[in-house]
Amino acid sequence: EDKVVQSPLSLVVHEGDTVTLNCSYEVTNFRSLLWYKQEKKAPTFLFMLTSSGIEKKSGRLSSILDKKELFSILNITATQTGDSAVHLCAVRDFGNEKLTFGTGTRLTIIP
Amino acid sequence: NAGVTQTPKFQVLKTGQSMTLQCAQDMNHEYMSWYRQDPGMGLRLIHYSVGAGITDQGEVPNGYNVSRSTTEDFPLRLLSAAPSQTSVYFCASSTRNEQYFGPGTRLTVT
Repeated sequence: EDKVVQSPLSLVVHEGDTVTLNCSYEVTNFRSLLWYKQEKKAPTFLFMLTSSGIEKKSGRLSSILDKKELFSILNITATQTGDSAVHLCAVRDFGNEKLTFGTGTRLTIIP
Repeated sequence: NAGVTQTPKFQVLKTGQSMTLQCAQDMNHEYMSWYRQDPGMGLRLIHYSVGAGITDQGEVPNGYNVSRSTTEDFPLRLLSAAPSQTSVYFCASSTRNEQYFGPGTRLTVT
């Protein structure tokens, strides 16, 4: 059974700090790993990673995948209060395309 | 292009009642899924579909049925509602590269 574990469960930092969120996974047939941000409503897509060592970047957010060690990290630099959210990691199975989610990291940014 | 739509947004049921949560997408995506989200449990897959006429069970399928007669629609049926089915339900549609979620349905079973 596919499994995703995220750490830490919650994180509280001050505005301007840099944070690193962790995601480790077990999946039968790996296709991709996805990161989402969830505020009060539905999750919104951040990144999809398929290859090891290639950093995906969008503004202050970046993410990288290590397929040998089966983990990914999401970095957020110069955090802002708008980054406060639950950040979710998910892995997609090759073939049936099922997504398995972790329980998320609740990030709180203090002004 | 409306993306993924879900109805209703909120619903209160009594134990034993049945209902259907509607989900539609207008992006011609092959894959559609239903998740439930409970506090501390993350998103758990209920049922999914890889194309019209094809459905399969996810992690927590008991008490729910689905069908996929068209590419656009993927309704979720609660056969006999139970308090344990109180949750927020998200429908999603996807290609192999990205997944879009609907706005969610908050269901309370009393």
